[in-house]
Amino acid sequence: DAGVTQSPTHLIKTRGQQVTLRCSPKSGHDTVSWYQQALGQGPQFIFQYYEEEERQRGNFPDRFSGHQFPNYSSELNVNALLLGDSALYLCASSPWYRGLKFTDTQYFGPGTRLTVL
Amino acid sequence: EDKVVQSPLSLVVHEGDTVTLNCSYEVTNFRSLLWYKQEKKAPTFLFMLTSSGIEKKSGRLSSILDKKELFSILNITATQTGDSAIYLCAGQRRNTDKLIFGTGTRLQVFP
Repeated sequence: DAGVTQSPTHLIKTRGQQVTLRCSPKSGHDTVSWYQQALGQGPQFIFQYYEEEERQRGNFPDRFSGHQFPNYSSELNVNALLLGDSALYLCASSPWYRGLKFTDTQYFGPGTRLTVL
Repeated sequence: EDKVVQSPLSLVVHEGDTVTLNCSYEVTNFRSLLWYKQEKKAPTFLFMLTSSGIEKKSGRLSSILDKKELFSILNITATQTGDSAIYLCAGQRRNTDKLIFGTGTRLQVFP
C-alpha cells in the first residue's frame, strides 16, 4: 500500500521564479492538503483540495495556488518566489466518502524542501 | 484565532528515562487533537484524541486529553535513542481537515 508521495525531494530556485510541487495521495484517499513548514516551526495549512476544487484555504497570498487532478493527485504552485518561501512543503491526504468525512487522521508525505536564493 | 502551544520546546534525556510532553490548545469548535512524530521529514501519525480522560496507548507511548482544561500530554516511558524526534501536536475544528500545529517539542535521547 503506497503512502503519500511527493516530488521533487529538493528544489533550489531564485527570487522571482515560479515553482510546482507534486503530490500523490495515499491509496484510497481523495482529499489532499498542503502545509508549509518553516525551519523550527510547526506546519502551517495552505489549502485543501477535494473533488478537484479548493475547499479550504489558510492565510497564504494568492501567489500560492493549486490544482487537483481526476486521479486525486495534486500540485502546489508558487509564483514570484520570495526568500521567505524557503521551507519544507508537506502534502497530507485523507479520505472523504460521498461528501462525508471518513476520518480526521491525515497522513503526510516526506515533503519537498524548497530553497529560494 | 486558533492557537496550539507546546512545551517544553526542547528536551534532552538519557535512555530509560520517562518524558512528558505538553500541549495546550485554544481551538474554536474543537473536535480532535492529534500527535505526530517527525524524525526527518514526514510527520508520522501517533494518536488522535477526541474524548476527555480516555488514555490511548501504543507500546511505550500514551496520550490523554483534558477538554475542560484544554490540554493534552504525551508520555514516553523507557525512552530509546530511536525516540529522538520532533513531536508535533495539532488541534482540529469540527467539519474541517485543517490542522493547527504547535511549534513542536524536540526530544533528544542519549545512550
